[in-house]
Order: sequence, then C-alpha cells, then structure tokens
Amino acid sequence: EVQLVESGGGLVEPGGSLRLSCAASGFTFSTYSMTWVRQAPGKGLEWVSSISGTGSYIYYADSLKGRLTISRDNAQNSLYLQMNSLRAEDTAVYYCARALLVPSAPHDYWGQGTLVTVSS
Amino acid sequence: EIVLTQSPGTLSLSPGERATLSCRASQAVSRNYLAWYQQKPGQAPRLLISGASSRASGIPDRFSGSGSGTDFTLTISRLGDEDFAVYYCQQYGSTPLTFGQGTKVEIK
Repeated sequence: EVQLVESGGGLVEPGGSLRLSCAASGFTFSTYSMTWVRQAPGKGLEWVSSISGTGSYIYYADSLKGRLTISRDNAQNSLYLQMNSLRAEDTAVYYCARALLVPSAPHDYWGQGTLVTVSS
Repeated sequence: EIVLTQSPGTLSLSPGERATLSCRASQAVSRNYLAWYQQKPGQAPRLLISGASSRASGIPDRFSGSGSGTDFTLTISRLGDEDFAVYYCQQYGSTPLTFGQGTKVEIK
C-alpha cells in the first residue's frame, strides 16, 4: 500500500526556518518524481516545488524561489522541504504527492499534510 | 504560466442530479495533461481524472472528463451523497504546474 506521511510542521515565528519531511512507503521511491503542494486556510491548492526521481531536475514556484530547497534521500525513501525566511502568508497545510514524472504525469497519491503556522 | 479558471465557483445541486464543472486554460494545455481532483474537508486531494478523460483507479464511472486544448469539463452523471466536495483542475504538462481555484459542489 502506497503511503506518504508528512512531518515537521508547527508554529514558527516570522523570519524563521522549518524543515518538512515526507516518508514514503509501498512503492519504489526512486522511480517517482515528488512534489510539495500547499493550501492556505480556506484557500485553494498551490504548487510549491517538484523534484525528479534521481534529484537531477528541480522546479520551484517563482514566488517562492530563493526561500525554499527541495531535496530527497532515496536510500531513506524520504522527501524534504527546507523553508527559510518564513512569512505569515506561508501559513498552510503542506502536502507531499507523487507523480511518475514531473511535468507529464498526474499526482496519484497524496499524504495527509502537515500544518505550518507562521506567527509571532 | 498557464492560468486555469474554473466555473462556477459554487454549484448547488441535489443528490441524483447531474453536475457539470468547467476548467478553462489561458493557453493550450500540453498534450491535454489536465487532471481533476476531489477534496473533502480535512482530507488530501484525490485524483479522479488524468489526461483530460481517463479515470483514475477505483473512480466510479459516474465521473467523466472531456475537453482538449483550453476547455475542459468534469461531469458527474448522478451526484451521490459522497460527491459533495471541492473539485480542482490541474495542468501538469508544463512547469509551473498550476491549479484552478476550485468549484464547490454543495447540497441544495
């Protein structure tokens, strides 16, 4: 059974940093691209970043570039999102999701999300 | 960036009725790489349709997708109680990946 479990969310002050993790199981992790998508409270879905199976190709939303670093450890079946210089508008539930290839494939499995709250 | 505009914003229908949701792209979606997701409160999105018209595994056949280029439609032939939710379209043919703003299907 495919499982994606996010962790690392919590309350952080503006300007702070946070590292999100996504633990994957039930599939060959290294053969899938992985993506972070966020959803602010009461709002829609927003694509954040994607990384290819080998980690060779990385994509970021322009609005977030420079403050985020996506990475993966295929030996540990884990995906990460390092977020720096956090702002109130980064408050959201962050989902990890898999796709056979980004771009070019839909996201067929999603984790349940981890909530990041940026507030003083 | 491809902007996706969904309409209507809210659809008020009764169980058993037909729902028609629209997703319009600001430019042609590469290879019709257009997906539809369903999201219920407190849950992660669930893939319904990919490639504009292919149902994902385990999705009931009352859900169907159609369209190409810039105009896409999700149809739910007869709404079940479990179908009241928010629906998002997403283009995954080019980066940045983009989502529509969502259509809420609510009970009338």
